[in-house]
Amino acid sequence: QQQVKQSPQSLIVQKGGISIINCAYENTAFDYFPWYQQFPGKGPALLIAIRPDVSEKKEGRFTISFNKSAKQFSLHIMDSQPGDSATYFCAASETSGSRLTFGEGTQLTVNP
Amino acid sequence: DGGITQSPKYLFRKEGQNVTLSCEQNLNHDAMYWYRQDPGQGLRLIYYSQIVNDFQKGDIAEGYSVSREKKESFPLTVTSAQKNPTAFYLCASSVTGFGYTFGSGTRLTVV
Repeated sequence: QQQVKQSPQSLIVQKGGISIINCAYENTAFDYFPWYQQFPGKGPALLIAIRPDVSEKKEGRFTISFNKSAKQFSLHIMDSQPGDSATYFCAASETSGSRLTFGEGTQLTVNP
Repeated sequence: DGGITQSPKYLFRKEGQNVTLSCEQNLNHDAMYWYRQDPGQGLRLIYYSQIVNDFQKGDIAEGYSVSREKKESFPLTVTSAQKNPTAFYLCASSVTGFGYTFGSGTRLTVV
């Protein structure tokens, strides 16, 4: 009930391509969906987040798409750059509670 | 600047030793968390605290202990009962309804 499933586990994209990472959840009480970016040896940093009252949120080259009926959300990185190479985690929580449930992570490599 | 400070950045533990990892935040966040990350793996919750003087076990609490005597501080002790403590430890804090702010981590190695 509390799981967030993330795929793929790893992703290799050419520079300039689109990177897509998908997450699915089961708990219908979740209403906050952030994405985190983590570089090696560093703590994760909040990248972008969405609430279920919108179906899409865009910040620069990063877009979250949200499908409430399917209980799925995804991160799209447009014009992927080698500097985007990192591990990405999706997460979800209930606004009434503060604890996040994390996906397993996706290791993205963007080749020059 | 507001943020979370974890120290030390690197820590070495001998067999049978207890070690304490520090986590301090000046964000005025109520909730604080400790996660463990193994190479190439995800984030596993060790302990969390939503209010001073109260904390709950996460998914992998065995061999660890915490305290929350002050809002700003949430130290984690890795005890000798933790048989495989080598990992990257992350502290985070949050305000209810929003995401976490993570520290920069402590890398613990058993020597």
